[in-house]
Amino acid sequence: EADIYQTPRYLVIGTGKKITLECSQTMGHDKMYWYQQDPGMELHLIHYSYGVNSTEKGDLSSESTVSRIRTEHFPLTLESARPSHTSQYLCASRINLHNEQFFGPGTRLTVL
Amino acid sequence: DAKTTQPPSMDCAEGRAANLPCNHSTISGNEYVYWYRQIHSQGPQYIIHGLKNNETNEMASLIITEDRKSSTLILPHATLRDTAVYYCIVIPGGSNYKLTFGKGTLLTVNP
Repeated sequence: EADIYQTPRYLVIGTGKKITLECSQTMGHDKMYWYQQDPGMELHLIHYSYGVNSTEKGDLSSESTVSRIRTEHFPLTLESARPSHTSQYLCASRINLHNEQFFGPGTRLTVL
Repeated sequence: DAKTTQPPSMDCAEGRAANLPCNHSTISGNEYVYWYRQIHSQGPQYIIHGLKNNETNEMASLIITEDRKSSTLILPHATLRDTAVYYCIVIPGGSNYKLTFGKGTLLTVNP
């Protein structure tokens, strides 16, 4: 079993609120990723990090931001949530090239 | 990065082998073929990967053609729980790659 956790699992929130989605892994992985997936649609990479103090934007433009102050922790923040942010957010981590990438259970976000 | 082409959907009878094809005709010499699957909006799950030799693990077998332009993922005895979207991904050498997913193949295992 992968030791990668996401909280909350489900979140319903009003427009304009600031939210932080938490992602933690206890495997000591340097590389961490955030993906966004709408129901029935493709997974899109929105952020990634190759280590502490390293963050990059992914292939899909996102209004969210991330930080990587500790190896095990990679939170994603939306400063002002909008209905267009309604989606599932999946966090993942990997140790190096030819090891599998582990995914968390996801956070289903609904912005009203 | 090499792109992959997969059929959008396939059906398989329970207990039979499921053979999922993937075309990656522009693959280069240092690129690996990876397979992941996603069961009903859960996080994707790693299945197997290979460079040029055929590979087998407890989940599946991966057959890569000699010219490496295509591959087949084989689930030897498909069960209903194998119903999922299967992604074939080509990944270059070097540790700092980004795993990106296409549309994949929706495999439906029927009773």
